Amino acid sequence: QLQLQASGPGLVKPSETLSLTCTVSDASVSSSNFYWAWIRQPPGEVLEWVATIYYNGDTYYKLSLKSRVTISMDTSNNEFSLKLRSVTAADTAVYYCARALKGGDSHLYFDYWGQGTLVTVSS
Amino acid sequence: SYELTQPPSVSVSPGQTARITCSGDALPRKYAYWYQQKAGQAPVLVIYEDSKRPSEIPERFSGSKSGTMATLTISGAQVEDETEYFCFSTDSSGNHVAFGGGTKLTVL
Repeated sequence: QLQLQASGPGLVKPSETLSLTCTVSDASVSSSNFYWAWIRQPPGEVLEWVATIYYNGDTYYKLSLKSRVTISMDTSNNEFSLKLRSVTAADTAVYYCARALKGGDSHLYFDYWGQGTLVTVSS
Repeated sequence: SYELTQPPSVSVSPGQTARITCSGDALPRKYAYWYQQKAGQAPVLVIYEDSKRPSEIPERFSGSKSGTMATLTISGAQVEDETEYFCFSTDSSGNHVAFGGGTKLTVL
């Protein structure tokens, strides 16, 4: 069964870089059938899509975060990663990694999610 | 940005039908998706493309849509269904995705 496991530091200092990795089991990040995404949920707030990557390296970012975010893929380890630079307290959130499929209307949706990891930005 | 609106809470007795709504201006033209999220666990897709159900999801879960409102229906809700549900969709341009604020379903 497909599993996604997000990992990374639970505490990041303001102005530093948040780095997370999602390890995928039972599916290949190199497959043309899937996209891979990061989604976050700040405490008490709505879920927010952050970034998506496709097997060919195509990347998609939430516009308001685009200047600070990089999503990348490591096919040899079957994982993908997120880097968010110059973080502030507003970046404190549970970060989820997820697999995305293209729906019937050609828009992506998330069919499998990892459990999520809480990242707190604080000095 | 695009917004999807859900009621904060819905309550039903065990065995009754629970209906959770999600409203958004682009829903007449865009698919709605529904997720179940239990505390401390990964969200689970329960309905995709308005009304399709993944094979592993119980038949009591169904989805529908009319105009700007999508509805998740749980027929014969069980105590184990008590948790948070949220919807997902895109705006008319497809350039902005959005999640609903979530609905806490209470079954007691």
